[in-house]
Amino acid sequence: QLQLQQWGAGLLKPSETLSLTCAVYSGSFSDYYWSWIRQPPGKGLEWVGEINHVGSTYYNASLKSRLTISVDTSKSQFSLKLNSVTAADTAVYYCARTRVVRTFDSWGQGTLVTVSS
Amino acid sequence: DIQMTQSPSTLSASVGDRVTITCRASQNINSWLAWYQQKPGKAPNLLISKVSGLESGVPSRFSGSGSGTEFTLTISNLQPDDFASYYCQQYKSYPWTFGQGTKVE
Repeated sequence: QLQLQQWGAGLLKPSETLSLTCAVYSGSFSDYYWSWIRQPPGKGLEWVGEINHVGSTYYNASLKSRLTISVDTSKSQFSLKLNSVTAADTAVYYCARTRVVRTFDSWGQGTLVTVSS
Repeated sequence: DIQMTQSPSTLSASVGDRVTITCRASQNINSWLAWYQQKPGKAPNLLISKVSGLESGVPSRFSGSGSGTEFTLTISNLQPDDFASYYCQQYKSYPWTFGQGTKVE
């Protein structure tokens, strides 16, 4: 049974770096892309970026200058780092398995990240 | 970026109703359109891909249609478990974008 389990700090101060990791249990890691998607409280979904097993990335241009997504294939894990956070980055962050056609068919449990001074 | 616009934002319905949610794309996305269901406090769940392809385990009361720029999600015979928010998503081009959501209450 495929499971995505994510973790990371939930409370940050402005200008700090958001850091999350998602571990993939069961299923193929190399046959898919792996994405981060966020959802501000009470709002809609925003795709943040994606990576594949060889480290090829694509980022949402709105975040690109602050964003790094990396992969550790040996552990079936991928990570998100977003630096210089502001209150606008407050959201639930989800990791998601991404099919080649770019639909998201399995999701992590979500991590609420709050940016507040 | 391709903008996805859903209507209505909120939909009031009753068990047994047939409900329809519309999603419009700001440009032609062919059939690269998916629908997700999200319940409070939970991650979204993929219901439909490529406009009308039901994912495994999704009840047949869910159906999708459309092409180009206008798409619909229909739930026939609404069940208590269907009260949730629904999002469309285009996967024609980067960045992958979602509609703002429709809450069925």
